[in-house]
Amino acid sequence: AQSVAQPEDQVNVAEGNPLTVKCTYSVSGNPYLFWYVQYPNRGLQFLLKYITGDNLVKGSYGFEAEFNKSQTSFHLKKPSALVSDSALYFCAVSPSGNTPLVFGKGTRLSVIA
Amino acid sequence: GAVVSQHPSWVICKSGTSVKIECRSLDFQATTMFWYRQFPKQSLMLMATSNEGSKATYEQGVEKDKFLINHASLTLSTLTVTSAHPEDSSFYICSAPARGNTEAFFGQGTRLTVV
Repeated sequence: AQSVAQPEDQVNVAEGNPLTVKCTYSVSGNPYLFWYVQYPNRGLQFLLKYITGDNLVKGSYGFEAEFNKSQTSFHLKKPSALVSDSALYFCAVSPSGNTPLVFGKGTRLSVIA
Repeated sequence: GAVVSQHPSWVICKSGTSVKIECRSLDFQATTMFWYRQFPKQSLMLMATSNEGSKATYEQGVEKDKFLINHASLTLSTLTVTSAHPEDSSFYICSAPARGNTEAFFGQGTRLTVV
């Protein structure tokens, strides 16, 4: 069975500093990995995905994530955080593109001005 | 990207009544849609998989008689919460994979409050 772990409930970072939101996964076979962001009372917005290819994936709003197969991790990063990045971030995994996603519990990011 | 529209965005209903939530794929056909439920400060949990032209597949622990799912066309799936109770209050989100895309597209979500 697939699973995703986001070890941090909350991440606080100062505006302008780099940010990292951690994610590790467990899945049989080659994983489809995703990051989504959720603003209050809103649906999920897609940030980026890893299917195959380069381990460093670039996504929306300046975010990127690095796929590390040996560590089964897919951490989300951004070089310089903005206050507007404050939101709830979900890491998700799927064994294929057409199956439902399994989500981590989410990490709340607060960027402080 | 593909657009999934969910309606209503929020609804308040009395205990014992039923509420219907619609999920539409606006610019693509979706033979499958997924319904998730999100409790406050928690993650999204898959409730059921909606299949066009056939019965929905429910996850373990989800009451299919309470959460009725209908996928009547290739662009519309509905979730009806029947005889709603306060414990059904939650955020419900649908998603649909679009052919040729590897990511799922999500609706805006529906905040259901049962009073």
